[in-house]
Amino acid sequence: GESVGLHLPTLSVQEGDNSIINCAYSNSASDYFIWYKQESGKGPQFIIDIRSNMDKRQGQRVTVLLNKTVKHLSLQIAATQPGDSAVYFCAEITCSSGNTPLVFGKGTRLSVIA
Amino acid sequence: EPEVTQTPSHQVTQMGQEVILRCVPISNHLYFYWYRQILGQKVEFLVSFYNNEISEKSEIFDDQFSVERPDGSNFTLKIRSTKLEDSAMYFCASSRTTTGLNTEAFFGQGTRLTVV
Repeated sequence: GESVGLHLPTLSVQEGDNSIINCAYSNSASDYFIWYKQESGKGPQFIIDIRSNMDKRQGQRVTVLLNKTVKHLSLQIAATQPGDSAVYFCAEITCSSGNTPLVFGKGTRLSVIA
Repeated sequence: EPEVTQTPSHQVTQMGQEVILRCVPISNHLYFYWYRQILGQKVEFLVSFYNNEISEKSEIFDDQFSVERPDGSNFTLKIRSTKLEDSAMYFCASSRTTTGLNTEAFFGQGTRLTVV
């Protein structure tokens, strides 16, 4: 079936370095993607989103890249800080199908080493 | 800053018992959702609710589950006869309009349900 998944379950990064978290999706009809951050004991928190007609979008210290050719999404975090330690989920929606629910990937745990 | 609140934070129940998980969505939001996350796994969609009716539900949301908006502020998830495999974190979310382009879903802190 169609799914959203992640390449790596864990990622350890030195404080100050850049982090790259990857996500693969298989539904070619997906037209909207979101990255969520989930800290321990908390619900998912929106980080950044991107439409399928874009290939890059930048926020504060975060950049999302979308490669529709290979159905790949990535989240780049610049100058990673200890507060960035969390599980990161990509999620997709097919807006053309109406009010579709978020489909989450399994998550990547980011650990920042001080 | 407005937030989605959920109670209780942790619910322990015996297998076969009924549980009600409660959520207070953000006040001007119109769309409400329940998701669950089994320990170590991804967040899974259960149900979406709009205009006092279910708009979409997943295969997980079987006859044992029901949702209700009993008043203008609460949104509840009921599990009639809990099973061990219902143990998970349950997240409530709400959005101002349909989730999609430029419409963020806000999540609550979650209720941890433990079925013993």
